[in-house]
Amino acid sequence: AQTVTQSQPEMSVQEAETVTLSCTYDTSESNYYLFWYKQPPSRQMILVIRQEAYKQQNATENRFSVNFQKAAKSFSLKISDSQLGDTAMYFCAFKARDSNYQLIWGAGTKLIIKP
Amino acid sequence: NAGVTQTPKFQVLKTGQSMTLQCAQDMNHNSMYWYRQDPGMGLRLIYYSASEGTTDKGEVPNGYNVSRLNKREFSLRLESAAPSQTSVYFCASSPRSASGTVTYNEQFFGPGTRLTVL
Repeated sequence: AQTVTQSQPEMSVQEAETVTLSCTYDTSESNYYLFWYKQPPSRQMILVIRQEAYKQQNATENRFSVNFQKAAKSFSLKISDSQLGDTAMYFCAFKARDSNYQLIWGAGTKLIIKP
Repeated sequence: NAGVTQTPKFQVLKTGQSMTLQCAQDMNHNSMYWYRQDPGMGLRLIYYSASEGTTDKGEVPNGYNVSRLNKREFSLRLESAAPSQTSVYFCASSPRSASGTVTYNEQFFGPGTRLTVL
């Protein structure tokens, strides 16, 4: 069975700093997808970035980028030039390509951006 | 385009009461999901519906039933609420590729329902 682990329950950084959130996963699958979702205080779950396992190039979306290390089963999220609006819970999620649609979720990291 | 909508936003029940959580999406997505979110844990899948007319159990289905009323709507019913069902409930939907094969399956979420069972 697949598992997703986020080892940092809470992090805080100053505005404009760079922060990296860690995520590791365990799977025997070779084809899968990884996601980072953001959940601000409004509770809305918002997709931040996604990565296909067969792509070696790390995904980027504006200030958000990932460091995908397939052999190490690691999928960290880097937020550059952090902003107050980045304050949220961040969840890492895994989906096997041929799974029954189920996403496997980490427990989340609470990120606080301080002014 | 409202995306995924859920009603109600908040609900308080007494043990043993029943209720139905409503979810609708206007993105013409085939697949829909119900999750629960408890403090300190990630989302856990209760039920999902791969397409209209089908439903399947997820990780934590006990105590719940679902109905995929049509392509747009997917409801979650608690027949006899228990305090262990106090949680935040999220509905989500996802598209399917035109060829019918499963894609990366990005899920779009509703705003959630905070349910308290006393």
